[in-house]
Amino acid sequence: DAGITQSPRYKITETGRQVTLMCHQTWSHSYMFWYRQDLGHGLRLIYYSAAADITDKGEVPDGYVVSRSKTENFPLTLESATRSQTSVYFCASSESGWNYEQYFGPGTRLTVT
Amino acid sequence: QKEVEQDPGPLSVPEGAIVSLNCTYSNSAFQYFMWYRQYSRKGPELLMYTYSSGNKEDGRFTAQVDKSSKYISLFIRDSQPSDSATYLCAIGWGYQKVTFGTGTKLQVIP
Repeated sequence: DAGITQSPRYKITETGRQVTLMCHQTWSHSYMFWYRQDLGHGLRLIYYSAAADITDKGEVPDGYVVSRSKTENFPLTLESATRSQTSVYFCASSESGWNYEQYFGPGTRLTVT
Repeated sequence: QKEVEQDPGPLSVPEGAIVSLNCTYSNSAFQYFMWYRQYSRKGPELLMYTYSSGNKEDGRFTAQVDKSSKYISLFIRDSQPSDSATYLCAIGWGYQKVTFGTGTKLQVIP
């Protein structure tokens, strides 16, 4: 399917476990992004990547790790999940990197118990 | 005080009404302004963006920016039930420097 996909769509995990959220895009966009969306906070940027093997921190990077070995994939790993990381996570991509040209995925709803 | 304030609603209007959604911001360095629509359990999709004060129109949607008042609005004319969604404003001041509002939930009643 063309576009941007995320998996899993829903995940429940326990505190302290490692979790990886996957993001895949078929447009060959250079830039990819990870956001979290929480009630009362709006969307906040976690990490972004300008190209394969180039990543940079966003507003709320602590507790997260990213990698980008291939242009089309941008996994987000929670190395030791905490309850405060319960959120909805959105991946996005764009060709230019500017926010007004981003396309968002459908989101992953993560619950940490 | 948050940098971007947005009334969470919910806002409920009859079909065909004109809807006004608003955000205020505090940082005068903000340079570009965006509105997103987000359906339930979906990712946000960009509706409109603009750099300048004034109005920008796209079909039934009009984005309005007043930099002197630090106030932005999205107007929806002839609202439809399919417009029922959460609307997010987002304001940027540089590359990867964007602050999102918390969203206003809109319900258009047939």
